[in-house]
This record gives sequence, structure tokens and C-alpha cells, in this order.
Amino acid sequence: GQNIDQPTEMTATEGAIVQINCTYQTSGFNGLFWYQQHAGEAPTFLSYNVLDGLEEKGRFSSFLSRSKGYSYLLLKELQMKDSASYLCAVVDSNYQLIWGAGTKLIIKP
Amino acid sequence: SQTIHQWPATLVQPVGSPLSLECTVEGTSNPNLYWYRQAAGRGLQLLFYSVGIGQISSEVPQNLSASRPQDRQFILSSKKLLLSDSGFYLCAWSEGTVNTGELFFGEGSRLTVL
Repeated sequence: GQNIDQPTEMTATEGAIVQINCTYQTSGFNGLFWYQQHAGEAPTFLSYNVLDGLEEKGRFSSFLSRSKGYSYLLLKELQMKDSASYLCAVVDSNYQLIWGAGTKLIIKP
Repeated sequence: SQTIHQWPATLVQPVGSPLSLECTVEGTSNPNLYWYRQAAGRGLQLLFYSVGIGQISSEVPQNLSASRPQDRQFILSSKKLLLSDSGFYLCAWSEGTVNTGELFFGEGSRLTVL
């Protein structure tokens, strides 16, 4: 079967750095997405990785290792507004999006 | 600019009642359209997707159905709701296949079946 694993919940301090991991086992790979979802709202796009390496976009960076079936989302200089769920999603060989259950990130002052 | 809107935002329905959720997209032509359901503690589940008017693909067997009567309109329906239909429903669109770009989501519709 296809599987996306992410920690259920993480806690971090305002101003700090946090890394949210995602491991996947899918039938093929055609890219990996990270989305942010605030409580009760729709997900919004953060990043897309299809090649190995690090993609940096402001305070957020996303890393991919296809050989390890692994990605992480790195959030720097955390702000209270970063409190949200972070969803990892993989495009499989049939070009279907397989979604993880999401990681709820709690930021404390 | 492109926008997506879905409604109603929340609804409480008795078991056995019908359902209609509507979604419209503005500012683009021939989008790919999707209906997802999000249950607590689980990943987004794709229910239906459409690549054009009248073209609907169903991903899971269920008592829900979808229709695309116009290019930028996507409707999710049920004739008789079940308790298990409760959840957060999200409409989304994309310009191409999912690996070529991001999904843009509507605001979501929270359905509670009692």
C-alpha cells in the first residue's frame, strides 16, 4: 500500500527553528508538496520538490531525498502565525496525490 | 486573478437527507476540479476529479456523486446522507495535472450529519 508518515504534533518556541519530517512509500514518485493549513481553513501551497536537495523560500525551506523516501520542511524564525498543520503530499506513478495526515505545529511564546 | 469559492461553509443535516455542495472557479478556463474530504487525523481523501464538462472520475465507492454542468462549476451531491459522511469537504482546482503545479483550495464546507 501507499503510505505517508508525519509526526502528529510538534511544539516549538517563537523565534526558534523547527524541522517537520515526512517519509513516504509510494508506487513511484513524481514530486512532493508541502501545504500549510490553519485550523478550519483550506490548505495553502508552501513548496514543491521533484529533485533531490534543498529549496529555500524565505523563512521556509524544503528538502528531498528520493533514495531515502524522505523530505523535511524547515521553518526558521518561528512566529505565532506559523501555528498550523503542515501537510506532506506525494505524486505517485499514476499522477495521484497521496496525502499525509498532517503535523500540527504549536508555537509557544 | 483566479478565485475559488465553495458554499455553504457549514451545514448540519439529518441522516437520510440530501446534500448539495457547490464550487465555482473564476479567472481561468478549463481547470481540473477536485472534491476532497478531510477527516480528523487522516490525510485528504480524493473523492472526485474532473478534467472537463461532464467528465467525472470517482476515486472511492460511496453514496456521493459529483457533476460538472459548466466549465467552472463543480457540485457534490448525495441523495441520502450517512453518519459517516460527516467531515470537512474541500473543493480545489489546478491548471494541469497535479505534478505540474499547486492545488488551489476553496474555503471548505464542514458537514455534520446527525
